[in-house]
Amino acid sequence: RKEVEQDPGPFNVPEGATVAFNCTYSNSASQSFFWYRQDCRKEPKLLMSVYSSGNEDGRFTAQLNRASQYISLLIRDSKLSDSATYLCVVNPNTGKLIFGQGTTLQVKP
Amino acid sequence: NAGVTQTPKFQVLKTGQSMTLQCAQDMNHEYMSWYRQDPGMGLRLIHYSVGAGITDQGEVPNGYNVSRSTTEDFPLRLLSAAPSQTSVYFCASSTGQDGGSPLHFGNGTRLTVT
Repeated sequence: RKEVEQDPGPFNVPEGATVAFNCTYSNSASQSFFWYRQDCRKEPKLLMSVYSSGNEDGRFTAQLNRASQYISLLIRDSKLSDSATYLCVVNPNTGKLIFGQGTTLQVKP
Repeated sequence: NAGVTQTPKFQVLKTGQSMTLQCAQDMNHEYMSWYRQDPGMGLRLIHYSVGAGITDQGEVPNGYNVSRSTTEDFPLRLLSAAPSQTSVYFCASSTGQDGGSPLHFGNGTRLTVT
């Protein structure tokens, strides 16, 4: 089992839709989690940090389920500009962050 | 505030050549790291450092060397380039020393080895 797993997609959704991505992790000792956004092989940019049960920032909500060992990212009212790859990142407390493969989102007009 | 600066942006090497990818940050971050990103593989950690004079191996260290003589700089050396090292390389830094803080990435170096 991979340490961090994401559905690579692509997720194709119309503008205005709500879309959710899940990310599962294998190390139950993991304490902190991050969602990054990456455009067209540019550098990843931090979208949200998750240290407890969840976090919300405008149209974006991240939820953490420690019992089932997954985190989710919910995007409401999708915009064309949300089209990107979303990377799930886990801190397993080993000094090294672990990246998922990423989930690609395409928002269509 | 420049953040994390990587040079060069693009590089083409022949098999067997050596080169150094430069990385510098001006945020006084203790933690610095190098990743490579290949299609379908996600970001994989090559080497990392928790402070000046301290380096350690990541997931895919073979063929790469690093050093950390100052807090600001963390160069990555390819000793004898191979086609398998064709990739996009990202340098990243963060506060703290446990790798658990959000990473700030450089713009990346796109390397092709022929």
